Amino acid sequence: AQRVTQPEKLLSVFKGAPVELKCNYSYSGSPELFWYVQYSRQRLQLLLRHISRESIKGFTADLNKGETSFHLKKPFAQEEDSAMYYCALGTGTASKLTFGTGTRLQVTL
Amino acid sequence: DTGVSQNPRHKITKRGQNVTFRCDPISEHNRLYWYRQTLGQGPEFLTYFQNEAQLEKSRLLSDRFSAERPKGSFSTLEIQRTEQGDSAMYLCASSPPRWTGGADETQYFGPGTRLLVL
Repeated sequence: AQRVTQPEKLLSVFKGAPVELKCNYSYSGSPELFWYVQYSRQRLQLLLRHISRESIKGFTADLNKGETSFHLKKPFAQEEDSAMYYCALGTGTASKLTFGTGTRLQVTL
Repeated sequence: DTGVSQNPRHKITKRGQNVTFRCDPISEHNRLYWYRQTLGQGPEFLTYFQNEAQLEKSRLLSDRFSAERPKGSFSTLEIQRTEQGDSAMYLCASSPPRWTGGADETQYFGPGTRLLVL
């Protein structure tokens, strides 16, 4: 069965500090990995997906199949990055998503 | 607003009552998903439609839950004989057909319906 683990419930960093939100997955097939973000009072929205290999809002994530990880990184945190971040694994023909429990990122001055 | 919409946004009901939620996906999206999210957890998959066909259901979807997508457009999720454990946020998401521009697997989420069962 597939599983996504986000070990940190809360990550608090200072503005300008580097950020790394950890995500590990368990899946025997070929994974599709996503990061979704939920800002205060907004709906869940896609931040980035591994297949695109893009940088969105300064965030990047690299799929490491050897370590089964998809950590989200940003070199310099901004106040507007404060939000709930969910790592998600897409599987099967339906591409249903299995989510982690989320990490709340708090960026303080 | 061309995004996924859900109604109602909030529902308070008494235990034992039936409730129905509606989801309107993005118009060109033929795939539709329902998820449930409880406090402190990430969304959990409930069921998946491709057009009007319900192709996958989670074990979480007990026989008190039924979902439909009669014309391949909007979808409804009904919970019969609600229990306090059904209290959660119910999320709907849609995604485009697989053949669209390189198979965009992105799921676009609605705002959710928050259910409270008293």
